[in-house]
Amino acid sequence: AQSVAQPEDQVNVAEGNPLTVKCTYSVSGNPYLFWYVQYPNRGLQFLLKYITGDNLVKGSYGFEAEFNKSQTSFHLKKPSALVSDSALYFCAVRDTGAGSYQLTFGKGTKLSVIP
Amino acid sequence: DTGVSQDPRHKITKRGQNVTFRCDPISEHNRLYWYRQTLGQGPEFLTYFQNEAQLEKSRLLSDRFSAERPKGSFSTLEIQRTEQGDSAMYLCASSRAGTGDTEAFFGQGTRLTVV
Repeated sequence: AQSVAQPEDQVNVAEGNPLTVKCTYSVSGNPYLFWYVQYPNRGLQFLLKYITGDNLVKGSYGFEAEFNKSQTSFHLKKPSALVSDSALYFCAVRDTGAGSYQLTFGKGTKLSVIP
Repeated sequence: DTGVSQDPRHKITKRGQNVTFRCDPISEHNRLYWYRQTLGQGPEFLTYFQNEAQLEKSRLLSDRFSAERPKGSFSTLEIQRTEQGDSAMYLCASSRAGTGDTEAFFGQGTRLTVV
């Protein structure tokens, strides 16, 4: 069975500082990995994905994530945080070895960027 | 193209009543997904359609839940004999089938409150 862990319920960072939101996963086959962001009273917005190829993927709004197969991690990063980045972030995985198209999401990490 | 559209945005119903939600995916997307999200949790997969065929159903989808996508375009999710535990945000997403994989785009959701 596929699973995702986001070990931090909340991350606080000062504006202008780098941020990291952690994600680890478990799958039986090869993973497809995704990050989504959710603002209050809004749906999930896609940020970036890892399917294959370069382990460092770049996405929207200056975010990037690094796929680490040996550590089964896919941490989200941004070099310089903005107050407007404050939101709920979800990591998701699809197990290509399971023959399924469903995404399994983590519980989410609330990011607060302090001015 | 305005993205994935869900209707209604909010629904309050009495326990025991039936409710139906509608999802209109992005027009060229032939994959459609339903997820459920409760407070403090990530979205949980309910079901998946490719065109009009329902190809996956989660164990979460009890026999009180039924989903359809009759013409491979819009989809409906019906909950019969609603229970207070059904209170949640119901999210619809769509994606394009093709070589490789593409991200799913989410609607803003239907928030169901069962009183």
